Amino acid sequence: DTAVSQTPKYLVTQMGNDKSIKCEQNLGHDTMYWYKQDSKKFLKIMFSYNNKELIINETVPNRFSPKSPDKAHLNLHINSLELGDSAVYFCASSRLGFQPQDTQYFGPGTRLTVL
Amino acid sequence: KNEVEQSPQNLTAQEGEFITINCSYSVGISALHWLQQHPGGGIVSLFMLSSGKKKHGRLIATINIQEKHSSLHITASHPRDSAVYICAARGADGLTFGKGTHLIIQP
Repeated sequence: DTAVSQTPKYLVTQMGNDKSIKCEQNLGHDTMYWYKQDSKKFLKIMFSYNNKELIINETVPNRFSPKSPDKAHLNLHINSLELGDSAVYFCASSRLGFQPQDTQYFGPGTRLTVL
Repeated sequence: KNEVEQSPQNLTAQEGEFITINCSYSVGISALHWLQQHPGGGIVSLFMLSSGKKKHGRLIATINIQEKHSSLHITASHPRDSAVYICAARGADGLTFGKGTHLIIQP
């Protein structure tokens, strides 16, 4: 069974469109995250949710909106896509949320290409 | 804002060698995270630590809070250890990532 799954794996879309990436974890974790990895392979955290509540919201455009319908899901919705949004987006989950005894489990990533 | 520096950026070594990857950060943190990204892109969390030392198999992570420095060591390195290793510092201003160390272990 996949612990953290993301759909779709690849997403190619035009500038200006709105798209969503879904993330689900079956580990029973309370905390979920979204990361962005740019073309230079530089990772950056975007959001973190604990029990459906936003606890980290790094400086990202407000075109990005996370939605957590329940603690097993954290979807990422992006409005008015721009060329610079092209990246690989990783979802992750953990039990404790950045505590030293915690371990994060990553999804396989979604490669978004904006044309 | 925290600045996280990793060294070296690239490292090529022979199988069996002892590997050290360094991570330094500029301001106090609550935890430091080591990640491994495989050539296929998948990311694995290796360690999260706030003090001392942690060991898992052939991997050892240490942190010196006073010196704002952490190291990741790999003993008896193997070609399957080839990956990008990334450290991330959790501070008051959020999570800041290093640029990664690209490690290649040759047979």
